[in-house]
Amino acid sequence: LAKTTQPISMDSYEGQEVNITCSHNNIATNDYITWYQQFPSQGPRFIIQGYKTKVTNEVASLFIPADRKSSTLSLPRVSLSDTAVYYCLVGSLYNFNKFYFGSGTKLNVKP
Amino acid sequence: DAGITQSPRHKVTETGTPVTLRCHQTENHRYMYWYRQDPGHGLRLIHYSYGVKDTDKGEVSDGYSVSRSKTEDFLLTLESATSSQTSVYFCAISPLLPRAGGYTFGSGTRLTVV
Repeated sequence: LAKTTQPISMDSYEGQEVNITCSHNNIATNDYITWYQQFPSQGPRFIIQGYKTKVTNEVASLFIPADRKSSTLSLPRVSLSDTAVYYCLVGSLYNFNKFYFGSGTKLNVKP
Repeated sequence: DAGITQSPRHKVTETGTPVTLRCHQTENHRYMYWYRQDPGHGLRLIHYSYGVKDTDKGEVSDGYSVSRSKTEDFLLTLESATSSQTSVYFCAISPLLPRAGGYTFGSGTRLTVV
């Protein structure tokens, strides 16, 4: 079971780029990396997923180095509404029931 | 969240009483999951289902049972509620072809056992 390590919390200001790094030293060959966002009193929401190198969508980018032992979620120009908890998950396409959420990173965006 | 509904949203119950939480989906997804979320522990998998009448245990299954008699409904039962089961419970679904972590979560049920 590939567990992950993330910072407990981060602070940022509106308009800045935020990078949240996740360590997953025992990632397996078939594992993908997925990030979720959770607002208070809501369920987590899928943000982005990747296997290697870089993935970008309309809300974030995911950077994965060649050794895949870590990954970085990049949020461009954050706003107050990006204040949330961000979870990094690592798991195989075929063992999705084994994903470990961990405690996530609480991002606090200040005005 | 669209396509997945949890009920009730809030419940207070007494220690020792049975409690059933319901998850209903309209997406016709094969896989359904129950998680609990507690401060300092993130989300932990309780049970999951990979089809009608097909279920299996997760990381923290003791004290919980589940049933899935229809594709759209996944029930979580606490046979005899304890204070340690006070938590926020989330249901999640994923499609037939699983994507790594590609869940859609419900809005959660806040359960308090007094």
